[in-house]
Amino acid sequence: GQQVMQIPQYQHVQEGEDFTTYCNSSTTLSNIQWYKQRPGGHPVFLIQLVKSGEVKKQKRLTFQFGEAKKNSSLHITATQTTDVGTYFCAGPRSSARQLTFGSGTQLTVLP
Amino acid sequence: EAGVAQSPRYKIIEKRQSVAFWCNPISGHATLYWYQQILGQGPKLLIQFQNNGVVDDSQLPKDRFSAERLKGVDSTLKIQPAKLEDSAVYLCASSRPSGSSYEQYFGPGTRLTVT
Repeated sequence: GQQVMQIPQYQHVQEGEDFTTYCNSSTTLSNIQWYKQRPGGHPVFLIQLVKSGEVKKQKRLTFQFGEAKKNSSLHITATQTTDVGTYFCAGPRSSARQLTFGSGTQLTVLP
Repeated sequence: EAGVAQSPRYKIIEKRQSVAFWCNPISGHATLYWYQQILGQGPKLLIQFQNNGVVDDSQLPKDRFSAERLKGVDSTLKIQPAKLEDSAVYLCASSRPSGSSYEQYFGPGTRLTVT
């Protein structure tokens, strides 16, 4: 079955440093989504990428969808303590609008 | 618009007991999902409803888990009897049934501890 893998599993950065998490799918994706889950919270939708090679920015966050539509990345510039949380990528796994979530990257930002 | 509501937020039970979780999705969202999230992992889909019909329950341990969505709105997820490995956060999510966005809206979750 479809697998979605993320690396790294954990990342500790000093405030102000950059952060990148990578997502790889075993199958070609029609789209990919990114979610953020704060400690003790629930996943919150960040963005959906659809086109091959697509790049989208949200303030300090840059999302990229690979040319082959099998990988994606999330880059945060100049991290802040508010960026703390676990970032999940998710890809659709059927025509029934289901998502397969990656295992997530837990980001810790040290002040 | 109001978000996805879930209750209870926390539940502690002993193994072999039963427990039920409730979810009220966003108004107008025909698709409802139940996920199990074990600590340190991503959400794992248990069951998906479209209105009051089951779309996919292939990952639901049917010997102990059951779910229903009467009238196509609220949903309940039940575990009977619970095992230690059922300790997890149970997340309910909803989404619009069509369109180009696959965005799912999650509720706050129910944290279940089985002792």
